Amino acid sequence: GESVGLHLPTLSVQEGDNSIINCAYSNSASDYFIWYKQESGKGPQFIIDIRSNMDKRQGQRVTVLLNKTVKHLSLQIAATQPGDSAVYFCAESNSGGYQKVTFGTGTKLQVIP
Amino acid sequence: KAGVTQTPRYLIKTRGQQVTLSCSPISGHRSVSWYQQTPGQGLQFLFEYFSETQRNKGNFPGRFSGRQFSNSRSEMNVSTLELGDSALYLCASSLFLAEETQYFGPGTRLLVL
Repeated sequence: GESVGLHLPTLSVQEGDNSIINCAYSNSASDYFIWYKQESGKGPQFIIDIRSNMDKRQGQRVTVLLNKTVKHLSLQIAATQPGDSAVYFCAESNSGGYQKVTFGTGTKLQVIP
Repeated sequence: KAGVTQTPRYLIKTRGQQVTLSCSPISGHRSVSWYQQTPGQGLQFLFEYFSETQRNKGNFPGRFSGRQFSNSRSEMNVSTLELGDSALYLCASSLFLAEETQYFGPGTRLLVL
């Protein structure tokens, strides 16, 4: 069945370094992907999204890469800051009819000052 | 514009009791979705309401129910609580039905003893 998962449950990075968070998906029909950031005690916050007709999309300090061949999604955070410490999870959906969104379980990013 | 609000933020109940959670969407948003979030399962879709009607439902037992009012505010009810119902319950709103981009509230953390 459909599944969205993350390779690493916890990622520790030094402040100022770049972070890369990975996500694998199994539904090849998925054509829309979202990254969310969830800080402790808060709900998920939309970070960036990408559609399957794109390989890369950039935002402010964040970049999402999509590799449809291996069904892999990654979130890159440049110059990681302490405020980036949170749980990050990806979500996938496929268009056509009701767009069911499937969420991954999350990766915890710890920024070391 | 105010974000999605959920009340209460924290709740402690005992097995067998029932609970009602409330969600107020972003002003102008007409769709409200509910999710259960647990450390092991991640975000699990419960149901979505639009124009006071349940439009889609996840794989949860009938003990989980909801409703939406004419002002788009929504309530979720869980009857005959079980220990496994302990979770963070998140509400998300969007302008229209089945939109891919949703805005989440801070959640209600429910602990069942």
